Amino acid sequence: GEDVEQSLFLSVREGDSSVINCTYTDSSSTYLYWYKQEPGAGLQLLTYIFSNMDMKQDQRLTVLLNKKDKHLSLRIADTQTGDSAIYFCAESIGGNTPLVFGKGTRLSVIA
Amino acid sequence: DGGITQSPKYLFRKEGQNVTLSCEQNLNHDAMYWYRQDPGQGLRLIYYSQIVNDFQKGDIAEGYSVSREKKESFPLTVTSAQKNPTAFYLCASIPSQGTGGYTFGSGTRLTVV
Repeated sequence: GEDVEQSLFLSVREGDSSVINCTYTDSSSTYLYWYKQEPGAGLQLLTYIFSNMDMKQDQRLTVLLNKKDKHLSLRIADTQTGDSAIYFCAESIGGNTPLVFGKGTRLSVIA
Repeated sequence: DGGITQSPKYLFRKEGQNVTLSCEQNLNHDAMYWYRQDPGQGLRLIYYSQIVNDFQKGDIAEGYSVSREKKESFPLTVTSAQKNPTAFYLCASIPSQGTGGYTFGSGTRLTVV
């Protein structure tokens, strides 16, 4: 079955890099996503990676995918207090089949 | 601007009442989804619809109902059979090609009083 696992909490100092990790179980996953949720709001898509890629970089965000280990990570460089939020990893086998979400990692940035 | 709108933002329900949460999108997306979010539980799928006049149960459909009479609209009814409805409800949509991830609404917080 499908399952997505994330650690629940991460605390970093402002200016440091944050690395949020995710593992998934469905080897047929085609797309893997990172979403950000601020308090009381919906989820905002940050970035996504196709399963035939190893890495994707977008400004301060770097996504690494290890398909063999079914491990996905999101690195946020120069973390700011505005990055404090819950970050969700999600997987999809493609098309409009429902995404499967992890439970989210709450990132706290200490000034 | 295109987007997905959920209303109301806050909703209070008395015991034994049915309530309906609204979700409307003007993105011309084919598929729409309802998720429930509880603290520490992540997002759990309630119902989804990939095309008008068709919908499928998700992992926690009991006590909920939906309809999809128009492409733009996917309302969720929380019935009195749902024993623990207090939660944050999120609606999302995606086009049929579906590679760019969901667009989410801003959510409805439902509280039983």
